[in-house]
Amino acid sequence: DGGITQSPKYLFRKEGQNVTLSCEQNLNHDAMYWYRQDPGQGLRLIYYSQIVNDFQKGDIAEGYSVSREKKESFPLTVTSAQKNPTAFYLCASSPGVEQFFGPGTRLTVL
Amino acid sequence: EDKVVQSPLSLVVHEGDTVTLNCSYEVTNFRSLLWYKQEKKAPTFLFMLTSSGIEKKSGRLSSILDKKELFSILNITATQTGDSAVYLCALLSGTYKYIFGTGTRLKVLA
Repeated sequence: DGGITQSPKYLFRKEGQNVTLSCEQNLNHDAMYWYRQDPGQGLRLIYYSQIVNDFQKGDIAEGYSVSREKKESFPLTVTSAQKNPTAFYLCASSPGVEQFFGPGTRLTVL
Repeated sequence: EDKVVQSPLSLVVHEGDTVTLNCSYEVTNFRSLLWYKQEKKAPTFLFMLTSSGIEKKSGRLSSILDKKELFSILNITATQTGDSAVYLCALLSGTYKYIFGTGTRLKVLA
């Protein structure tokens, strides 16, 4: 089955802790993206990667970090520097124009 | 600054009604406009528009782009309860950067 998987589905974190959200795709897409969605809002771009070992900051990169060591994987770390991390996080990949989204991870900071 | 504005923010209709959702934009280096439907988690792709005046249709849904006036509309005819969702408009600016609107939340009552 081809697609994008994200794990975990739900994640709870204490303030001051770093957490890493997983995103894996087997669609052989070069480009991958991380978005954040807050209630009643659209998607805001955190980071994107066009190719392995390369990535660019999006509009709200502060407090987040990523890596792209393999084409299939684009993990997102939410660091303690992110002031308001509670949100729904969506990962996507794209072969060119259309984006394919994973099921998302809901992160709650306690 | 690039921006995408969707209206209305929310809409409640009855089954059988026709709805028109709007997406206006100010984006440098426009490449494509995309519409997505988000029911619970992952947005699913509806349409991609690149040329002005050419209507895209899929069943009861249709969409058109006006590049002179910088907007797009998404029409849904004979609405059903299954159409209830958030509809997202996204602009592809340049090669890889997507800019999303805040979405229109549609609720269709039986």
